Amino acid sequence: KNEVEQSPQNLTAQEGEFITINCSYSVGISALHWLQQHPGGGIVSLFMLSSGKKKHGRLIATINIQEKHSSLHITASHPRDSAVYICAVTGNQFYFGTGTSLTVIP
Amino acid sequence: NAGVTQTPKFRILKIGQSMTLQCAQDMNHNYMYWYRQDPGMGLKLIYYSVGAGITDKGEVPNGYNVSRSTTEDFPLRLELAAPSQTSVYFCASSYSTQGAPHEQYFGPGTRLTVT
Repeated sequence: KNEVEQSPQNLTAQEGEFITINCSYSVGISALHWLQQHPGGGIVSLFMLSSGKKKHGRLIATINIQEKHSSLHITASHPRDSAVYICAVTGNQFYFGTGTSLTVIP
Repeated sequence: NAGVTQTPKFRILKIGQSMTLQCAQDMNHNYMYWYRQDPGMGLKLIYYSVGAGITDKGEVPNGYNVSRSTTEDFPLRLELAAPSQTSVYFCASSYSTQGAPHEQYFGPGTRLTVT
């Protein structure tokens, strides 16, 4: 069993839709990260959070420490949001989910 | 700032050969990391360093070595390349406060094939 599970694995949405990607983890953590990996392979850190909620533009990340669960929301999705979104946690070690592949269709 | 740079971008190795993947950052980050990403799989931590002169194993360190002689550089050494080491390798760095790492900045990756 992976320490970090993401759902869904794949997601296709129409432009403008509201998107939610979920992440559950089974270990104690000091922080949770959301990363974005574009088709070219480059990885960018979107959020790091240890409690509550963070917002950056159309992206919102939330975390519930008691439930060991985080969500990444994208409002008014756009084709340029098409990427793989990766959830990662840092605790005693670093653990990564396998990613959610998002395709936004115009 | 160049951020995190990696060289080479691509490399093909024969079984048993050795090579060093270079990684450098110019952000004065104390934490640096090496990951591998196999097709369809998540990132896995190979080694990390919390500062110059200090390195520690991650989840998949076998077959690799690292050194951290300066804050800026964190090379990854493959001594006897094996087909199982075919992967994309990412270097990353972050700063930390009170021992806790902050968001990571990733390099562009090195695609390595061992045949």
